[in-house]
Amino acid sequence: TQLLEQSPQFLSIQEGENLTVYCNSSSVFSSLQWYRQEPGEGPVLLVTVVTGGEVKKLKRLTFQFGDARKDSSLHITAAQPGDTGLYLCAAKGNNTDKLIFGTGTRLQVFP
Amino acid sequence: ETGVTQSPTHLIKTRGQQVTLRCSSQSGHNTVSWYQQALGQGPQFIFQYYREEENGRGNFPPRFSGLQFPNYSSELNVNALELDDSALYLCASRGQSNSPLHFGNGTRLTVT
Repeated sequence: TQLLEQSPQFLSIQEGENLTVYCNSSSVFSSLQWYRQEPGEGPVLLVTVVTGGEVKKLKRLTFQFGDARKDSSLHITAAQPGDTGLYLCAAKGNNTDKLIFGTGTRLQVFP
Repeated sequence: ETGVTQSPTHLIKTRGQQVTLRCSSQSGHNTVSWYQQALGQGPQFIFQYYREEENGRGNFPPRFSGLQFPNYSSELNVNALELDDSALYLCASRGQSNSPLHFGNGTRLTVT
């Protein structure tokens, strides 16, 4: 069974702080995605990483795919209240189109 | 461009009843997937439809069934509802293979 474990499960920080969220698996994936989900809404795709060691930046968000393509991290610089939400990593299963989602990290940024 | 829309937004049912949830895919998208998201967890894949045929299924019992119509809209049907079926049900659509999924805002189902 392919599992994606995220840590931490919950994160509560002040505006302006930096944070890192981790997504780990024992399986190798061809690509990995990060989503943000706000209350009452569906997940919204932030980024897809494909190459081992790849780093992608989206404004204050930095995404990295592990060299072995088993893990990924999301780093947020100078967090803002608008960053509040549930962050989910996801990957496609082997020989299938379905997405396997991680356990999620719920981030709360206080002003 | 209209995104993925789901109806209803909220629903309360009693254990043992049946429910039908509806999804209109984004314009031009022919593949629809359904996911179940229990409170505090990540979404879990239920099944996927491509051109009116189921072409992938997750670890859900047969009482979870679906349909896709010629206009690519879709339904999720759940029979003999159980308390553990209480969750947010998300529909997602995409066009070509490997293109990103676009999610709707979900239907919140509560089973009492």
